[in-house]
Amino acid sequence: DADVTQTPRNRITKTGKRIMLECSQTKGHDRMYWYRQDPGLGLRLIYYSFDVKDINKGEISDGYSVSRQAQAKFSLSLESAIPNQTALYFCATSDTRLAGAHNEQFFGPGTRLTVL
Amino acid sequence: GNSVTQMEGPVTLSEEAFLTINCTYTATGYPSLFWYVQYPGEGLQLLLKATKADDKGSNKGFEATYRKETTSFHLEKGSVQVSDSAVYFCALSHGGRRALTFGSGTRLQVQP
Repeated sequence: DADVTQTPRNRITKTGKRIMLECSQTKGHDRMYWYRQDPGLGLRLIYYSFDVKDINKGEISDGYSVSRQAQAKFSLSLESAIPNQTALYFCATSDTRLAGAHNEQFFGPGTRLTVL
Repeated sequence: GNSVTQMEGPVTLSEEAFLTINCTYTATGYPSLFWYVQYPGEGLQLLLKATKADDKGSNKGFEATYRKETTSFHLEKGSVQVSDSAVYFCALSHGGRRALTFGSGTRLQVQP
């Protein structure tokens, strides 16, 4: 079984709809991240969480919100989706309690979101 | 702020050719540097890393050396295979809260 899972893997929705993307991990890591990937732009950080009560905005948080329901679960919501939020979304985890980890991150398989 | 610059792709090579993908960074102090690889339809996987100047990371025949003087971390492989076709991302981790900053990615296409 995969250590970092994302649901759904693909989603098509319409402008104005509320969408939730979910991420679960079995690695026992404390930190979780949401990125979006756009062609030619690499990965950009949306939100990150260092534990259940520590949630932080990344470089492109506008239009998104997150919830860390438990150490193993981190959800990303688009309250009112718009077409320029069409992208590939990745969840990642890391465990900075590991000596020498230097923030190595482990990625889920991604969710492809299309907003019409 | 921190930034990572990679050479634009796609890079198209024949099997067994030598590969170099350039990566330079901007950051204060001594960040940790990473190369991640994304195979078609998959998430990113860590390929190699280096955590201090002059360190060489290596994995699966790929190598990269952390050059503080030129702020570079170029990825090399002596003989590429078709199975190496993927998108390669250079990244750095810096600062107490250790978020990753990614380059834009370089697509590698290896032809038989």
